[in-house]
Amino acid sequence: DIVMTQSPDSLAVSLGERATINCKSSQSILNNSNNKNYLAWYQQKPGQPPELLIYWASTRESGVPDRFSGSGSGTDFTLTISSLQAEDVAVYYCHQYFGTPLTFGGGTKVEIK
Amino acid sequence: EVQLVESGGGLTQPGGSLRLSCAASGFTFSSTWMDWVRQTPGKGLVWVSRISPDGSTTRYADSVKGRFTISRDNAKNTLYLQMNSLRAEDTAVYYCASDIGTYWGQGMLVTVSP
Repeated sequence: DIVMTQSPDSLAVSLGERATINCKSSQSILNNSNNKNYLAWYQQKPGQPPELLIYWASTRESGVPDRFSGSGSGTDFTLTISSLQAEDVAVYYCHQYFGTPLTFGGGTKVEIK
Repeated sequence: EVQLVESGGGLTQPGGSLRLSCAASGFTFSSTWMDWVRQTPGKGLVWVSRISPDGSTTRYADSVKGRFTISRDNAKNTLYLQMNSLRAEDTAVYYCASDIGTYWGQGMLVTVSP
C-alpha cells in the first residue's frame, strides 16, 4: 500500500500570510507514461464532505481561488495557500489515486493565529 | 447542478447488513469511476471500494473484502454498497464520490452497535 504522510498535523497562520502543507508518498506516484502525478488535495470543513482543490498535483479545480496552489513530483508534494483567508480554516488532505488501495494523508488542520 | 444523494444508512447490530445507495445527477454517471470513502467521526478519510463505469471492475479495501459489495445501475444513475457482516469498526460516515473526488455526496452515517 502507498502510505501518504502529511506534515504538520496542524498549523496556525495569520490572516494574509502563507500556509504550506507537505505530503510525502511511500513510493512514487508519477506515471512515467503520461508524466502525471496521481495526487489530489482536498479541503474539508466541519460537517461537510471534502472538496477537491487540486488534482494531478498542480491542476486547480474549476472555481478554486488562485491562492491555492499545488506543487511537487514523485514522492514529495506541497499545498500552498498564498494568503490565508478566514474561510480557509479547515482540514486539508492529500490523496493518491495512482493505485488501489487508494490512500489519504492523515490531514492537516489549518487555523488562524 | 451536480448532485450525489446518499441513502440507506442508519443503526444496525454487529453481524447485520445495510445497503447504501447514491443517486447521481448532473454529470455523465455511466462514464465515471465511482468510489465509496468512509470517515470515522473526528478522524481521517479511508477508501472503501471502487467500481468501473460499466461495473465490470471492482476493488475493495482489505478491511471490507468479502463483506462489502459495490455495484451500480447506470440506467438509474445509482451506485450501491451492500454491507454484510457489519462490525463495530465499520461505524463511520460513508461518502460516495466520483473519480478523483470531483464530486462527493453529503455523507451517510452508519452505526454498528448492540
